Amino acid sequence: DAGITQSPRHKVTETGTPVTLRCHQTENHRYMYWYRQDPGHGLRLIHYSYGVKDTDKGEVSDGYSVSRSKTEDFLLTLESATSSQTSVYFCASPQTAMNTEAFFGQGTRLTVV
Amino acid sequence: GENVEQHPSTLSVQEGDSAVIKCTYSDSASNYFPWYKQELGKGPQLIIDIRSNVGEKKDQRIAVTLNKTAKHFSLHITETQPEDSAVYFCAASKRSQGNLIFGKGTKLSVKP
Repeated sequence: DAGITQSPRHKVTETGTPVTLRCHQTENHRYMYWYRQDPGHGLRLIHYSYGVKDTDKGEVSDGYSVSRSKTEDFLLTLESATSSQTSVYFCASPQTAMNTEAFFGQGTRLTVV
Repeated sequence: GENVEQHPSTLSVQEGDSAVIKCTYSDSASNYFPWYKQELGKGPQLIIDIRSNVGEKKDQRIAVTLNKTAKHFSLHITETQPEDSAVYFCAASKRSQGNLIFGKGTKLSVKP
């Protein structure tokens, strides 16, 4: 699993509140990704990082921001949570370079009520 | 951008039979095609992958084929077992932008 740990594993929050999810990796990987998984949609890329302080948007980035101040941590923030952001969030990181096998964390189940 | 279509969305087979899942992609620059297996409550796990310079790859009961001209690739599982039951995802990426674009998944059920 490339030492990828997500926290928290489960969270319930209220509409309009900010939420931060954390992805921590112990393998010194350069690339890290955040995906969300929803029934009927598979896995969709939210944001990704290609190094410390280097991030870019994925296909469903609206309402999300990310930060990477250290190699090992990639944070996903929902600035003002909405019910449409209820989902399972996965962090992933390729072992060597992009365009190679990616290892996924165990996921964070977020419910916005 | 890249778009990956995956079929079927559900597949039910008898134990011992073969299962085939198919994916098509849109971006001819894509050159890396992994398959992931996801069990309930867990993150996706890579089971096999193939690059565009190879037409077929096999690992025990699992094989993947790639047709670059038609832009489609397939996962073949032979002699299926109940523990093969899971959701399978195909994905595609390209060297210049390594982010994986996923299909919507296939729920495979293997009946004993």
